[in-house]
Amino acid sequence: AQSVTQLGSHVSVSEGALVLLRCNYSSSVPPYLFWYVQYPNQGLQLLLKYTSAATLVKGINGFEAEFKKSETSFHLTKPSAHMSDAAEYFCAVSDEGTGGFKTIFGAGTRLFVKA
Amino acid sequence: GAGVSQSPSNKVTEKGKDVELRCDPISGHTALYWYRQSLGQGLEFLIYFQGNSAPDKSGLPSDRFSAERTGGSVSTLTIQRTQQEDSAVYLCASSISLRGANVLTFGAGSRLTVL
Repeated sequence: AQSVTQLGSHVSVSEGALVLLRCNYSSSVPPYLFWYVQYPNQGLQLLLKYTSAATLVKGINGFEAEFKKSETSFHLTKPSAHMSDAAEYFCAVSDEGTGGFKTIFGAGTRLFVKA
Repeated sequence: GAGVSQSPSNKVTEKGKDVELRCDPISGHTALYWYRQSLGQGLEFLIYFQGNSAPDKSGLPSDRFSAERTGGSVSTLTIQRTQQEDSAVYLCASSISLRGANVLTFGAGSRLTVL
């Protein structure tokens, strides 16, 4: 079964600083990988996804993630944090099971942005 | 509908009572998923449906939990004899199908509090 591990339940950065949220996956086959974001009092929404077309994936709001097979990583980055980026971020992987794929989520990383 | 709709948004119940949580997916989405999000935890997979069939029920925590889907549309998650540890936000999501690269669209969730 596939799984993802997110390093750090909380990350705090200053406004304008680099955002780096870490995610490692375990998969015996080329994975489908995702980052979802949950803003305060809102539902989860897709930030970006990796489906093997390109190793560097760009998402909404200036976020991007790079798939590194040798490191089994899919870290999320943004060059300059904005106050509105404060949210919880979930890394996820598709796991093929009985009858289809289910999406397995990591424990989440809460991002705090300081003024 | 335009989005995934869940009801009730909030439910407070007494220990031992049964509860039903409803999910109305996006029209045309054949796949439907239920997750549970507890405080400080990630998203725990419960069950998914392809049409009215549930190929994978492995995530249901106990036999007190059950789910059904009718008409390839609305789904109900039922928790019998609720316990305090069932308190959580229950999230429903839908997607076009059960393919690995598919993106999930989430509802706002049903917050369950068991007293």
